[in-house]
Amino acid sequence: KQEVTQIPAALSVPEGENLVLNCSFTDSAIYNLQWFRQDPGKGLTSLLLIQSSQREQTSGRLNASLDKSSGRSTLYIAASQPGDSATYLCAVREYGNKLVFGAGTILRVKS
Amino acid sequence: DGGITQSPKYLFRKEGQNVTLSCEQNLNHDAMYWYRQDPGQGLRLIYYSQIVNDFQKGDIAEGYSVSREKKESFPLTVTSAQKNPTAFYLCASRKKLADYNEQFFGPGTRLTVL
Repeated sequence: KQEVTQIPAALSVPEGENLVLNCSFTDSAIYNLQWFRQDPGKGLTSLLLIQSSQREQTSGRLNASLDKSSGRSTLYIAASQPGDSATYLCAVREYGNKLVFGAGTILRVKS
Repeated sequence: DGGITQSPKYLFRKEGQNVTLSCEQNLNHDAMYWYRQDPGQGLRLIYYSQIVNDFQKGDIAEGYSVSREKKESFPLTVTSAQKNPTAFYLCASRKKLADYNEQFFGPGTRLTVL
């Protein structure tokens, strides 16, 4: 059974720092991996989608990498801002149409 | 505006009542999903539907029911058989041309049992 783990569970950094969020998964048989952002009491906003054949994707200050063979992905946030404060979730799409989610990393960027 | 809408935003239910959560999308997506989110946990799949008039159970379907009579609508009923229904419920959809497509989420419904 696929399991997705996100480390750390919570992170607090000063504004301007570069930071890395980690996601690991136990079964490498995936179609893709998706990173989401969730603000308190809100739905999920898709940040980046990496297909299993890709190594990384970039959008603005965000860069996500995927190492499928080792079951790892990282989300790199450059020059963090207070507006980046949110919960970040990663999810892998298994063969069979299911997205399996990690529990998330709660990020707080202090001004 | 294209997107996914969920209603109501907040819902209160007395024990023993059935309640229905609405999910509508105008993205022309084929597949729709219902997830449950509890504090400190990842999302868990309740039901999903890949085509009209067809749906499959997810990991935690007990105590829930769904219907998919129209492509744009996928309502979720939380029945009295669901023992611990207080949670945040999220609806999602995806264009299922292939399995590599991105999934999009609605704003959620918070259900509280009184």
